[in-house]
This record gives sequence, structure tokens and C-alpha cells, in this order.
Amino acid sequence: EIVLTQSPATLSLSPGERATLSCRASQSVSSYLAWYQQKPGQAPRLLIYDASNRATGIPARFSGSGSGTDFTLTIRSLEPEDFAVYYCQQRGNWPLAFGQGTKVEIK
Amino acid sequence: EVQILESGGGLVQRGGSLRLSCVGSGFTFTKYAMSWVRQAPGKGLVWVSTISGDGRTTYDADSVKGRFTISRDNSKSTLYLQMNSLRADDTAVYYCAKVVLVPGPMWYFDNWGQGTLVTVSS
Repeated sequence: EIVLTQSPATLSLSPGERATLSCRASQSVSSYLAWYQQKPGQAPRLLIYDASNRATGIPARFSGSGSGTDFTLTIRSLEPEDFAVYYCQQRGNWPLAFGQGTKVEIK
Repeated sequence: EVQILESGGGLVQRGGSLRLSCVGSGFTFTKYAMSWVRQAPGKGLVWVSTISGDGRTTYDADSVKGRFTISRDNSKSTLYLQMNSLRADDTAVYYCAKVVLVPGPMWYFDNWGQGTLVTVSS
């Protein structure tokens, strides 16, 4: 069973700064990795799928990269609405799994 | 506009049963696999079950296998989750989610409902 480890657990940044979130898989998931954003009291929102493809309607400031076991979500310049929890999710190996989340908070 | 609306959550005693429902609109329901994903209070996301668009194939996480049953009624654009032998660790918000149509194994989820809370009392 694949374990996804996200780091850091919490990222404290100011609006306008660049955010870099990491997701590491315990074994290769090829490029089958997605990123979601979740705000308090809301459902998750798909941002990136297959490591680097932006989902419909997702702003260009969000980008994903990586393959195999190491993946990165980058938010180029944080907007106030980007402060949230971010989860990675793999579909490359059974069973499907999510990471534990990274909280991006306002510094 | 895609809309997904869950219902059926509530308070249930340990060992009891509950059936969740999820109505989808704004998309061709039968064309998409659908899933349930849950989130315990203050915790992360956990995949529960997925069903193919035609309802013939189902997939379950080990933690719910033999206790939960996913099904769908495409004539009503409705997804179900029958939950039996409920345990305290089943307490969570249960989300219904539409699967993304992309090639490859398993699934991603591009549209989610607002969730329905299931609380199992011990």
C-alpha cells in the first residue's frame, strides 16, 4: 500500500509569495498524481491531475510537476483565497490514497 | 452546471445501519463512475468506494469491504452507499464525487457534493 507524505505540514506565507508544496510517494506512482485544495467547511476542489495538468477553471498560478515518487505543487504568487489545505492523491497503485495534507496559512 | 447533492447522514448507534444518497445533475450521470470519499473530523481524505457508470463494477477500500455497499440508479441519477455494522471510526463527513474521465488506472474526482455527516455513537 502506497503512503503519500506531504511536507511541510504547515506553510506560513504572505500574499504575493511563492508556495512550494511537496508530496512524496513510498513507491513509484508514475505520473498518476493529483492535487486538491480544501477550504474550511467546503468540499475539496481538484487543481492538478496526472502531475501537471490543470483542471478546468484552475488559474495559471497553480502548477504541478514531478513523476515517480517526488511531486511538487507550486503556487506562483499567493492570492488571499489560496490559503487553505492542500492534498495530494495517487491513482497509480491500488488502493487509491491521499496524503495527509499541507496547510498554507497567512503569515 | 454540475451539481451533486448528498443526503442521509445522521446519528446512528454502533452496529447500526444507514443509507446515504447522492443526486447528480448537469452531466450525463450514466457516463461517469462515481465515488464516496470520507473525512473524519479534523482529519484527511479517505477513499471509500467507487462504482462504474453502468453500475456493474464496484471497488471498495479494505476498511469498509463487507460492511458498505455502493450502488446506483441511473434512471434517477442517484448514487447510494449502504452502510452496515457501523463503527465509531466510520464517523466522518461523506462526500459523493464524480470521477474524472481520463485514461489510466483508478480515479480522480473533479466534482464533489457538500458532504453529509455520519456520526456513530458508542
